[in-house]
Amino acid sequence: GENVEQHPSTLSVQEGDSAVIKCTYSDSASNYFPWYKQELGKRPQLIIDIRSNVGEKKDQRIAVTLNKTAKHFSLHITETQPEDSAVYFCAAPFSGGYNKLIFGAGTRLAVHP
Amino acid sequence: DAGVIQSPRHEVTEMGQEVTLRCKPISGHNSLFWYRQTMMRGLELLIYFNNNVPIDDSGMPEDRFSAKMPNASFSTLKIQPSEPRDSAVYFCASSMDRGRVGGKERRNEQFFGPGTRLTVL
Repeated sequence: GENVEQHPSTLSVQEGDSAVIKCTYSDSASNYFPWYKQELGKRPQLIIDIRSNVGEKKDQRIAVTLNKTAKHFSLHITETQPEDSAVYFCAAPFSGGYNKLIFGAGTRLAVHP
Repeated sequence: DAGVIQSPRHEVTEMGQEVTLRCKPISGHNSLFWYRQTMMRGLELLIYFNNNVPIDDSGMPEDRFSAKMPNASFSTLKIQPSEPRDSAVYFCASSMDRGRVGGKERRNEQFFGPGTRLTVL
């Protein structure tokens, strides 16, 4: 089965700096890698995802990169703002089919004004 | 669409009592997932259904936990009897499983409900 490791567990940056969160996965057949953001007391919500046919995807200040050879993918947030403070989860699909996802342990990002 | 609906939003009960959590997935979605979230263990998948059929319940911690999906628009997660260590936030999520497209499995976004915060005293 799939195993997903996420680093770091906590990240503290100054407003305007960049933040990078990295995840590794074990199943080379995995082909879909979403990132979820969970604000305090709220539900996880998808912010960006990438499929294995592309190496990078951008959406305004966030981007995700994928290295299938090394089996790792990363979330990049540029020009961070206080509202980016949240817990971020990466995920990879379970190879057994359907839409089951294996989530990383999460990264608590704090953006200080 | 109202999104995934869960009830109750908060539940406080005493140890030994039965607890039933409810979920209404997004209309048209055919996959439903129950997760448990705690500080210590993070986001754990308990069980998931596809077309109302339980596919994998390996994440259900004990026989005290059971889940049902009698139809496409409703699912329950029951804990009987409840224990203090069951205290957590329970999320329900749904998605549309499109199966294989072009020979490849087509994964899609899971939409989470607001969660039920369970406290067992």
